Amino acid sequence: NAGVMQNPRHLVRRRGQEARLRCSPMKGHSHVYWYRQLPEEGLKFMVYLQKENIIDESGMPKERFSAEFPKEGPSILRIQQVVRGDSAAYFCASSPPAGGMETQYFGPGTRLLVL
Amino acid sequence: GENVEQHPSTLSVQEGDSAVIKCTYSDSASNYFPWYKQELGKRPQLIIDIRSNVGEKKDQRIAVTLNKTAKHFSLHITETQPEDSAVYFCAAHFGNEKLTFGTGTRLTIIP
Repeated sequence: NAGVMQNPRHLVRRRGQEARLRCSPMKGHSHVYWYRQLPEEGLKFMVYLQKENIIDESGMPKERFSAEFPKEGPSILRIQQVVRGDSAAYFCASSPPAGGMETQYFGPGTRLLVL
Repeated sequence: GENVEQHPSTLSVQEGDSAVIKCTYSDSASNYFPWYKQELGKRPQLIIDIRSNVGEKKDQRIAVTLNKTAKHFSLHITETQPEDSAVYFCAAHFGNEKLTFGTGTRLTIIP
């Protein structure tokens, strides 16, 4: 039973480029969450998605950031025109569809470095 | 708003002794409280969780206690071992399916 998968594990971008981060939830999980972790800091919620729906994006910057979870394929976190401050580890987590109080399982993260 | 405070930020414990990490939360409606362990460069891993219908839960050397009246919960690690060294995060679920995390505790076990 494969866990949450993320790719790439490491991503280097120059300022102004686009970053696309992918997350495949655990089998049977339909809820996906994205978190950002700056060095030596905690996990900050960004967005919560179910298949084809954004449920809560209250933690996501209004500009340059977008997320989707299509009917087929992985969830994508997209950062346009990256800046140095976007450098961080981005983790996704997934949970089963029961709704509420369900354990979230984390992927290995994507470490984004913006030069 | 939703807020989780975690203390201490760093903790050093002699091997074999116990470690306690405490968290408080702001919303009395919170009903699910997981604890995650994160080793350097790795993903957060769930180590134990508690739901609001119980006051204490134990799994071998790890226990979590919950006081809903006071809105705080604690992680207890007994007989600490070097492999317990990591950053530990508490979290609270605020009813809207997202978790709010504490700021983390860096635990160092001194051999």
